[in-house]
Amino acid sequence: NAGVTQTPKFRVLKTGQSMTLLCAQDMNHEYMYWYRQDPGMGLRLIHYSVGEGTTAKGEVPDGYNVSRLKKQNFLLGLESAAPSQTSVYFCASSSIKLADSYNEQFFGPGTRLTVL
Amino acid sequence: KQEVTQIPAALSVPEGENLVLNCSFTDSAIYNLQWFRQDPGKGLTSLLLIQSSQREQTSGRLNASLDKSSGRSTLYIAASQPGDSATYLCAVRRSDYKLSFGAGTTVTVRA
Repeated sequence: NAGVTQTPKFRVLKTGQSMTLLCAQDMNHEYMYWYRQDPGMGLRLIHYSVGEGTTAKGEVPDGYNVSRLKKQNFLLGLESAAPSQTSVYFCASSSIKLADSYNEQFFGPGTRLTVL
Repeated sequence: KQEVTQIPAALSVPEGENLVLNCSFTDSAIYNLQWFRQDPGKGLTSLLLIQSSQREQTSGRLNASLDKSSGRSTLYIAASQPGDSATYLCAVRRSDYKLSFGAGTTVTVRA
């Protein structure tokens, strides 16, 4: 049981390049989330998904796109990377099988992205 | 919009001292509050989750309290050890399944 995994762990891009970050979970969770973490700012929600085939915007969605074609995978895309997107990206997942207030979020190890 | 604040941003204590970490939030209409630990360059590990109906939650040397009416939670770590050195984040779960995070308190326990 691997929990939440993220690929890749590190990446360096040049301004204008594109890339996709992959998140996979093996806990059969319905909800999945993408966050970014910047120094002194905590984690901010980029996009999230409440089920296969659905996505929604979070607090800071501009410059990112997501897809949830399979329940276990949640992809985060950067179409044209900018230096402001240099950050650490975390994926998380949670279940809705229990009562709402028990929805603990489980996090992946993160992807450290640098845009030059 | 839910604002979550953690003060202080950093804390250094000698080994054996009890740690008190504070988290405050502006909107008391929460579903739960979660405390996480983050080691440098690593992901988040969940420590404790307190339901909105609970006043506290305990796990080993950790105890977290919740006072919704005043918008506060406190994480207590008893008899701190150097291995407790990490950044501690609190996150408040809103009604729409999203978490609002504080910026964290970085703890250093000196041997």
